[in-house]
Amino acid sequence: RKEVEQDPGPFNVPEGATVAFNCTYSNSASQSFFWYRQDCRKEPKLLMSVYSSGNEDGRFTAQLNRASQYISLLIRDSKLSDSATYLCVVNDLKERDTGTASKLTFGTGTRLQVTL
Amino acid sequence: GAVVSQHPSRVICKSGTSVKIECRSLDFQATTMFWYRQFPKQSLMLMATSNEGSKATYEQGVEKDKFLINHASLTLSTLTVTSAHPEDSSFYICSARNWREGYEQYFGPGTRLTVT
Repeated sequence: RKEVEQDPGPFNVPEGATVAFNCTYSNSASQSFFWYRQDCRKEPKLLMSVYSSGNEDGRFTAQLNRASQYISLLIRDSKLSDSATYLCVVNDLKERDTGTASKLTFGTGTRLQVTL
Repeated sequence: GAVVSQHPSRVICKSGTSVKIECRSLDFQATTMFWYRQFPKQSLMLMATSNEGSKATYEQGVEKDKFLINHASLTLSTLTVTSAHPEDSSFYICSARNWREGYEQYFGPGTRLTVT
């Protein structure tokens, strides 16, 4: 089982639509959670952190369900510029011989294409 | 905001040669730098984590003698791909973090390596 699983898509939606992405993670001890956005052939950029109480940033709403190990991202009123791959990212603390280390684990991403 | 640069952005080299990629944090001190690799349509995979002044910690399956990492200062880390082969062709991305300021990692723009 992958550590972080996402539906790869693509999701093709018209401008103005609402779209939701889901993500599940396997490590119940994961510490923190993020959504990143990655444009084609570019580096990932942090979109938003995900908090247990749910959080909103403009048209974007993120939810976390620790019991189900499930994370979601809702985009309202989609814009053409929202077209990108959305990466679900989990931060784990891992024990190593050299001490405890923080590690980001990325999902494979869900591709969104917003059309006119 | 925190800026991370990478150089070169693209490199084409012949099989058997070595390639060095630089990662710099421009406006903050990076106590930890991370090196990732991303193959087409796949997620970012962490290769290694390096703390300033100490040896890098490599992820399982990553050959430390092939991917040499140096993190000699708080603003610079280098990844050297030694004796590169076509299967090493990939998108290499670094990220940097100052652990005193939290978990957020700031990503460089990536280096696209093509080995012919």
